[in-house]
Order: sequence, then C-alpha cells, then structure tokens
Amino acid sequence: DAGITQSPRHKVTETGTPVTLRCHQTENHRYMYWYRQDPGHGLRLIHYSYGVKDTDKGEVSDGYSVSRSKTEDFLLTLESATSSQTSVYFCAISGTGALNTGELFFGEGSRLTVL
Amino acid sequence: GNSVTQMEGPVTLSEEAFLTINCTYTATGYPSLFWYVQYPGEGLQLLLKATKADDKGSNKGFEATYRKETTSFHLEKGSVQVSDSAVYFCALRSTGANSKLTFGKGITLSVRP
Repeated sequence: DAGITQSPRHKVTETGTPVTLRCHQTENHRYMYWYRQDPGHGLRLIHYSYGVKDTDKGEVSDGYSVSRSKTEDFLLTLESATSSQTSVYFCAISGTGALNTGELFFGEGSRLTVL
Repeated sequence: GNSVTQMEGPVTLSEEAFLTINCTYTATGYPSLFWYVQYPGEGLQLLLKATKADDKGSNKGFEATYRKETTSFHLEKGSVQVSDSAVYFCALRSTGANSKLTFGKGITLSVRP
C-alpha cells in the first residue's frame, strides 16, 4: 500500500469555524491532490500541488485553500466551514518520470461534518 | 473539456451473475482510461487501466477494452462474488505532463449471496 496518511479521519465542527485536514505521504511523489466525494457527484478535484509551494485550483476550489511547505505534507484548509462542505475528503498522490504510471494512490479519507 | 459518463446505479446482482458497467467518455486526443474501485470505508484503488485504443485492461477477473470508435471503456466480469460489492469509478487522463484525472460519478454494486 502507498504510504498516505490523512488526519483527522473524522471531524465534526460548527459553521464558521476553521478546519485543516492534513495529508502526509512517505513515497516522495511530486504530485498531491485533494478531492471531495459526494453522492451523485463522484469525486471532484479541489486543489492540487505539483511541487513544494506549487499549487493550483481544481474544479471546486471556492472556500478552500491549500499549502505545501514540504514534499510529504499537503494541507487543506477551510477558513470558515459551511454546511455545504460536509463531505468525505480524499488525498491522492502520483509520481512523475519513471514513477508516472498515470495512476493515483488514495488515502483512506477524512469525513467532515459541518453542523 | 473532458468528461466521463457512467450508467446510473445502483446495481444489485446475485452471486455468479455476469456484470457489465457502462462507461463512455469525451476527450481530445488519446486519453488513458481507468477503472477504480472503492470498498466500504476505504479510499479508491486502481482496478485496471488501458493506455491506447484496443488495449484490454484486466485484473481480479474484471476486464475492460478501450474502444476509440465508440469512446467507451465498459467494465465486465463473468461471475461476480459477494466480495466484489463496492463502488466503481471510471476515469480518464488526457495526454500532457500536467494532466489530471477526470472521474465519472461512480456506481454502487451490491452482490447477493
């Protein structure tokens, strides 16, 4: 299994509070991604990173920010959580060069509930 | 832009039944195609893939053939098991160094003993 750890795995919070989800990898892969999974929508890309301090927006980036200060960690922050951000969040990684098989490796997910 | 369309679900089958899950796509050029599976309480994992037209991906008894002429990548299995109960996602990745995966909405498969 790819070495990807998400934390926390479960969180319940209130509307308006800040939330940070962490993704940690031990594979030294260059690319890291944050997705959200919702019924009827499948997986939608929030933000991704193609290197330390290099990030870009995905298709549903409003209300989210990310940071990547070192290769192994990719943080997703909800500055002021809303009920529409209740979801399951998945981190994924992929390699480049010889490691680039086109495949994404996923973490086990973080379930966030915003009351 | 790129898009992936999966058949509507959920799908419920009896053990040993034949499975087909339809997937069609829209993309420019020659994308790579994937099927991912998500077992209950877990993240997604790659089931199989195909990188060019007429390629057949296979794994764990599942197969899918990359059909350029019909822009399809249907997933099949001859005899499903209870342990195949999961959510299945079709996905594509365009050519290009910085391309990303585009996923379909997923379909839930339940297999009865």
